Amino acid sequence: EIVLTQSPATLSVTPGERATLSCRASHTVSSSLAWYQQKPGQAPRLLIFGASSRASAIPARFSGSGSGTDFTLTISSLQTEDFAVYYCQQYNNWPFTFGPGTKVEIK
Amino acid sequence: EPLLVESGGGLVKPGGSLRLSCAASGFTFSLYAMNWVRQAPGKGPEWVSSIAFNSAYTYYADSVKGRFTISRDNAENLLYLQMNSLRVEDTAVYYCARDDSMLNWGQGTLVTVSS
Repeated sequence: EIVLTQSPATLSVTPGERATLSCRASHTVSSSLAWYQQKPGQAPRLLIFGASSRASAIPARFSGSGSGTDFTLTISSLQTEDFAVYYCQQYNNWPFTFGPGTKVEIK
Repeated sequence: EPLLVESGGGLVKPGGSLRLSCAASGFTFSLYAMNWVRQAPGKGPEWVSSIAFNSAYTYYADSVKGRFTISRDNAENLLYLQMNSLRVEDTAVYYCARDDSMLNWGQGTLVTVSS
């Protein structure tokens, strides 16, 4: 099973600042890595698939990079609606696995 | 626009069974693999099961293997999860999701296993 590790666990950011979230895989997942945003009481929402492709209707301030075992989600200028929990997920091998999440909170 | 709507959740005693359904619309259901993902209260998402677009393969998390069965009806645009021998630790919101990269999610259906 591929284990995903996310860092930091919590990120305190001032609105308008840049946020950088990390996801590391225990074995290579090629580019089969997705990022999701989840707000309380809502289902996760896909932001990025294929490590760097933005999903439909996702603002350009969200970008993904990386391949193999190291991945990054960058939010270029945080808006108030971006404060949420972010998960990475690999779909290169079954069982698909999710990281434990990074909570982005208002500083 | 793609839409997924889960149903069938509820309160069940340990050892009981439930069948979840996911109704799909707004996309060509028969062209996509589908998944079930669950989220226990206060926890992150956990992948449960996948099925190929044509049912050629199915995969299960070890935690549910032998107890849960995924299936689909492409004529009716429906995805199912038959859950047997339910345990307290199966308590979660269950979501269906389209494709390996979980392009779309439903709103979820709550399954509570408790005596």
